[in-house]
Amino acid sequence: KQEVTQIPAALSVPEGENLVLNCSFTDSAIYNLQWFRQDPGKGLTSLLLIQSSQREQTSGRLNASLDKSSGRSTLYIAASQPGDSATYLCALSGGSYIPTFGRGTSLIVHP
Amino acid sequence: DAGITQSPRHKVTETGTPVTLRCHQTENHRYMYWYRQDPGHGLRLIHYSYGVKDTDKGEVSDGYSVSRSKTEDFLLTLESATSSQTSVYFCAISPDSGTEAFFGQGTRLTVV
Repeated sequence: KQEVTQIPAALSVPEGENLVLNCSFTDSAIYNLQWFRQDPGKGLTSLLLIQSSQREQTSGRLNASLDKSSGRSTLYIAASQPGDSATYLCALSGGSYIPTFGRGTSLIVHP
Repeated sequence: DAGITQSPRHKVTETGTPVTLRCHQTENHRYMYWYRQDPGHGLRLIHYSYGVKDTDKGEVSDGYSVSRSKTEDFLLTLESATSSQTSVYFCAISPDSGTEAFFGQGTRLTVV
């Protein structure tokens, strides 16, 4: 069974910092990996999708990388802003193609 | 937002009563999913569908049933609600297996 772990569980940083969120998984036979953002009381917003054949994806200040051999993905947020405060979740689709989620990293960016 | 509507958005119900949550999509996506989100557990899959009348169980399917009679609608039924089913329920859709998933806004269900 795929296990997905996100570290740290919570993070508080000052505005302007570059930061890295981590997602690790136990089974490298994945189909794709997706990063989401969730604001309090809201649904999940898709940020980036990385197919298993890809190494990274970029969208604006966000960059996600995937290393299947080490069972890791990282989400890099450049020049963080208070509006980036949210919970970030990663989800992996493996052989069943059904997304399996980590528990998320709660990020606070303070002015 | 992807065209996903969950209804109701909030519901309070009594223990032992049946409850049905609805997910409606306008994207004509093949896959639809129901997850529940609880503190300390994250998002867990309840059931999913890969086509009209084609459904399968997820990790936490006990006490839940689903139906999909049309591409656009996926219903989740709690046959006899219990307090342990108090949760936030999310519907998600994806065009096909292993493709990008999109989520609805969630339904907050409280069983008293």
